Amino acid sequence: KAGVTQTPRYLIKTRGQQVTLSCSPISGHRSVSWYQQTPGQGLQFLFEYFSETQRNKGNFPGRFSGRQFSNSRSEMNVSTLELGDSALYLCASSLGGLTNEKLFFGSGTQLSVL
Amino acid sequence: AQTVTQSQPEMSVQEAETVTLSCTYDTSENNYYLFWYKQPPSRQMILVIRQEAYKQQNATENRFSVNFQKAAKSFSLKISDSQLGDTAMYFCAFIAFSGGGADGLTFGKGTHLIIQP
Repeated sequence: KAGVTQTPRYLIKTRGQQVTLSCSPISGHRSVSWYQQTPGQGLQFLFEYFSETQRNKGNFPGRFSGRQFSNSRSEMNVSTLELGDSALYLCASSLGGLTNEKLFFGSGTQLSVL
Repeated sequence: AQTVTQSQPEMSVQEAETVTLSCTYDTSENNYYLFWYKQPPSRQMILVIRQEAYKQQNATENRFSVNFQKAAKSFSLKISDSQLGDTAMYFCAFIAFSGGGADGLTFGKGTHLIIQP
């Protein structure tokens, strides 16, 4: 069974640009959640999608948005990039039943904002 | 607020030794799960072990076991017969469920574990 796939692995953008990251969950998983990892703040929850609906959201500005498609693949978009958005962005998938939860992570997208 | 505290930023042990990583957490929810994740240099977060809060029995996975003390809100990870491949960042995390669903995993800052040959 294929794992969680994130593309691209690396991205370099400049301030003010926007970026879209992609995450394909494990087959059969309906929940996809996104996390930001930085040396200073550690790992922080961005949002979670389940069956194409955002179910939960962390404490991030509206520049961070996402969506989920009918095949459970998810995209995350960051608009008007700032230097502080440089981070490793991880997505995780799970069955999504809110019980017996096991979250499986992808290898992440390393975003550098110059 | 929900928090996870890992008090050991870095630990180093010799191969084949046993090592225990500490974790304490705080939540007002009763329904939650606790996890230990391992993040090697490849950056992929790998699930090491999981514990359901309603289960009193400590979870074990081969060389990995936990000491779950619910009243003390403590969740330590013990690695027996440590191997070079265990070298990684280890993150303690939990996810709590309330009527409105779950707010995602809350992570600690991590412990960098180094296994010396």
